[in-house]
Amino acid sequence: RKEVEQDPGPFNVPEGATVAFNCTYSNSASQSFFWYRQDCRKEPKLLMSVYSSGNEDGRFTAQLNRASQYISLLIRDSKLSDSATYLCVVNQGGSYIPTFGRGTSLIVHP
Amino acid sequence: DGGITQSPKYLFRKEGQNVTLSCEQNLNHDAMYWYRQDPGQGLRLIYYSQIVNDFQKGDIAEGYSVSREKKESFPLTVTSAQKNPTAFYLCASSTPAGGGEAFFGQGTRLTVV
Repeated sequence: RKEVEQDPGPFNVPEGATVAFNCTYSNSASQSFFWYRQDCRKEPKLLMSVYSSGNEDGRFTAQLNRASQYISLLIRDSKLSDSATYLCVVNQGGSYIPTFGRGTSLIVHP
Repeated sequence: DGGITQSPKYLFRKEGQNVTLSCEQNLNHDAMYWYRQDPGQGLRLIYYSQIVNDFQKGDIAEGYSVSREKKESFPLTVTSAQKNPTAFYLCASSTPAGGGEAFFGQGTRLTVV
């Protein structure tokens, strides 16, 4: 079983739609969680950290469910510029080594 | 501005040659990482270092080597033993403060010709 799993998609949605991604992780000792965005042929960039209490940044909401070992990302009112790959990142235990999911591709069309 | 610098951005290698990818950071981070990304795939960990003069193998270390003589620098050598080196290589650094958010360089795209 992979340590961090994501549905690769692609998720193909119209502008204005709401879309949600899930990510599951296998190591119950994982300490910190993030969502990164990666554009084609570019480096990943931090989108948001994921806290136990959940957090929101504008149109983006991230949530953590420790009991079920998954994190989620909700994007409301999708824009064309949201088209990218979204990477789930889990830091393992005390070493904080970032472990990446394979990413979920989002395509927002007019 | 603080950040991570990778060079070169593009690199072409002949079969049988060793090449070294540079990674420098001025974020004062203790931990540094090298990842490999193939088309349509996620990032796979090659090597990591959590302190100067110490480094550990990741999931796909065969055919690669690293050094960590300075806190700021973590070069990666792709040796001739790496049978399929064509890929996008990403260097990152992090610190436990803030939960270990990883900061990335712009990447090096290596092609074997």
